[in-house]
Amino acid sequence: GPKVLQIPSHQIIDMGQMVTLNCDPVSNHLYFYWYKQILGQQMEFLVNFYNGKVMEKSKLFKDQFSVERPDGSYFTLKIQPTALEDSAVYFCASSLANSDYTFGSGTRLLVI
Amino acid sequence: GDSVTQTEGPVTVSESESLIINCTYSATSIAYPNLFWYVRYPGEGLQLLLKVITAGQKGSSRGFEATYNKETTSFHLQKASVQESDSAVYYCALGDGNNRIFFGDGTQLVVKP
Repeated sequence: GPKVLQIPSHQIIDMGQMVTLNCDPVSNHLYFYWYKQILGQQMEFLVNFYNGKVMEKSKLFKDQFSVERPDGSYFTLKIQPTALEDSAVYFCASSLANSDYTFGSGTRLLVI
Repeated sequence: GDSVTQTEGPVTVSESESLIINCTYSATSIAYPNLFWYVRYPGEGLQLLLKVITAGQKGSSRGFEATYNKETTSFHLQKASVQESDSAVYYCALGDGNNRIFFGDGTQLVVKP
């Protein structure tokens, strides 16, 4: 079936640097999401995005986080500056409505 | 807030045995949340296994089934006869109708040949 692609699959970055996680959602989907999973913990909602705007964000979505999808290209999550506690696997998802989500394989981010 | 609690893993069963992974939910933001089971096979991304959006209904896929029980706020995953290829991590999840999903911790299933 249709897939959500996440690039890169792994990223190691120095604390304080900027990182951009890329997500190529399913082509006809309208809603986009980021979830965060720290090792050994639950996947937790970060943010959802529709029609070019953030619809809702959780308390995990710090001021250092931002999302965008310029002109139908990648849906990106940018962290600037990164902190050690940002180390996690970040999952992108997309959906047509609110009950059919397609998830990517995740980007494993390590901040050192 | 909304949350999901599921059987703590790992769960180890032998091939052809039956399986149940318990899941209970708490939904405060919506009376009838959407309920899902997702699965992550080794080395792969999260996949939707089955979903049920109507209380009282049963969902099924690949021999797995789960019934949306509003009285007990449960959505247990069952399979009559597991196969080694079912080894994966299974996540119970709740959709709040506002484009957010709340996941359980995941249950690792190990099926022995």
